[in-house]
This record gives sequence, structure tokens and C-alpha cells, in this order.
Amino acid sequence: DVQLVESGGGLVQPGGSLRLSCAVSGFTFRNYALTWVRQAPGKGLEWVSAISASGGITYYTDSVKGRFTISRDNSKNTLFLQMNSLRAEDTAVYYCARKVGASTSAFDYWGQGTLVTVSS
Amino acid sequence: SYVLTQPPSVSVAPGETARITCGGDNIGRKSVHWYQQKPGQAPVLVVYGDSDRPSGIPERFSGSKSGSTATLTISRVAAGDEADYYCQVWDNGSDHYVFGSGTKVTVL
Repeated sequence: DVQLVESGGGLVQPGGSLRLSCAVSGFTFRNYALTWVRQAPGKGLEWVSAISASGGITYYTDSVKGRFTISRDNSKNTLFLQMNSLRAEDTAVYYCARKVGASTSAFDYWGQGTLVTVSS
Repeated sequence: SYVLTQPPSVSVAPGETARITCGGDNIGRKSVHWYQQKPGQAPVLVVYGDSDRPSGIPERFSGSKSGSTATLTISRVAAGDEADYYCQVWDNGSDHYVFGSGTKVTVL
């Protein structure tokens, strides 16, 4: 079975840092692009960042550019999101998800999410 | 930045048909995907590539596109279909993935 399991969320003060991880199993990790999507409490889905299968291409939504860094370790089947200079508006459940394939921009498997709370 | 517009809510009686729209500039040139999200759960892909269904998704869920609007249609709606639904595209003008604002489907 395909599984994506996020970890690393928690409570952090404004200006602090947090590193999220997404451990993957059940498919050939290195063949798939991956993404992070977040959802603030009571709000809709917001795309955050994406990374190509090789890790050589990354994308970021404007509000996190320069503060967040997406990366992956294809030897450990793990996706990361390094979040620096955190703000209250970054408070959300963060999901990792798998892009279906090269020919489509949909996400077919999602983790259950990890909650990040930025507050003093 | 690219914007996808969805109605905040749609209400439908059991057994009837729910239609959820998603509008955006030049959406006809983009591949539209739809997700269902129930409270406390991760999103589930229900339609991709405008009208294809992943395995395991009932045929009651279908997608279409006409002009500047994409539509997710849920036929023979049941109580279990009550959820938030989001459309999503890739905007190659900005190299961003974009989600719609979401539509809450209520089964009366």
C-alpha cells in the first residue's frame, strides 16, 4: 500500500524554524514528483511547494519563497520542508502528496498531515 | 496570480445531482483536477485531467469543462458525499499549482 507519513509539526514561536518530514513507502520514490499543501484552521487548501522526481527542480508559492526550502532524499524515501522565519499565518496542517505522473498535475496520494502552530 | 473561483456552498437533496463549478481565465487550456475532503481527513482525488476518475472512485463522480468553467457533477447524491470539494490546476504562467477556494456540499 502507498503510504505518506508526515512528522515534525508542533508549536513554534514567530521567527522560529521547523523541519517537516514525509516518509514514503509503497512506490518507487525516486520516480515521482512531490508537493506540500497546507490548510489553515477552517480554511481551504493552499499549495506551498513542489519538487521534481530528481530533486533538481523546485517551486514555491510566493508567500514562502526565501523562507521555506523543499528537498528530498531519494535514498531514504523522504521528503522535507525546512521552514524558517515562521509567521502566525503559516499556522496550518501541512500535507505531503504525490504527483500522479509526468503527464498530469494532479496529486493522487496524500499523507494525513502534521499541524504547525506559530504562536508566542 | 491565477485564481480559480468556486461557489462557497451547494445544497442538494439525496438522490439528486450536485454540480460544482470552477471558473478561471483560459481554464479551457488547463487540466483540471477535483478533490473531496471530509472533516478531519486528507483530500482525496476524485477526478483528474478534467474528466478521468482514479480507480476506486464511483462513476457517480464525473468532470467536464466548457468555455471558462469546469464542473464536477455528483449524481445520485448520498449523505456520504457531504464534504468540501476543491478544483486544482497547474498554472504554467507562474509555475504554481493553484487550488480553488472550495465548495461545501450539503446533503439536505
